Amino acid sequence: GQQVQQSPTSLVLQEGENAELQCNFSTSLNSMQWFYQRPGGSLISVFYNPSGTKQSGRLTSTTVIKERRSSLHISSSQITDSGTYLCARRSWQLIFGSGTQLTVMP
Amino acid sequence: EAAVTQSPRNKVAVTGGKVTLSCNQTNNHNNMYWYRQDTGHGLRLIHYSYGAGSTEKGDIPDGYKASRPSQENFSLILELATPSQTSVYFCASGETVYEQYFGPGTRLTVL
Repeated sequence: GQQVQQSPTSLVLQEGENAELQCNFSTSLNSMQWFYQRPGGSLISVFYNPSGTKQSGRLTSTTVIKERRSSLHISSSQITDSGTYLCARRSWQLIFGSGTQLTVMP
Repeated sequence: EAAVTQSPRNKVAVTGGKVTLSCNQTNNHNNMYWYRQDTGHGLRLIHYSYGAGSTEKGDIPDGYKASRPSQENFSLILELATPSQTSVYFCASGETVYEQYFGPGTRLTVL
């Protein structure tokens, strides 16, 4: 089965609304990473979060190692936030979830 | 920022044909990776390399070969392409597994 499960699969928001993306891990977690993928484009790392809460602008990542979960909060969403957000568990390689496709409408 | 390029960006191949996907990085990273991305599966690791001349199998290597002739170049080879290999393929490079820089992707369709 999948080691990394993301929810929701897709999300549609009106501009200005907040988004909460979830990532759950079926195996023990040392650290994890969030990536953003532009529509039809490449991936860029947005957060490396071993534990606790990290914030960068309108993005906040909270990882609870013992509970094997992480969340990504996007506040005051913008159209340019649209894309796919993937979380990945760090082991000897990156193990990716299937992603949450976010669409922000004007 | 690390520069990783892939060619071709789009490819249509026939079943049974040979396909070569190329990746080039200009930042002298030792590690390079090939992934495929399919709906519902995220990115899955096919092959990776620790440096020129080395290739290692990832999670889903069956049907794929890899070649790392130089520090800069890493190729993925499908000797006998099948429709199940229709996917988007990403190359990445990095000094560590945790710092990977991804290319723009290659969309492969096998008819």
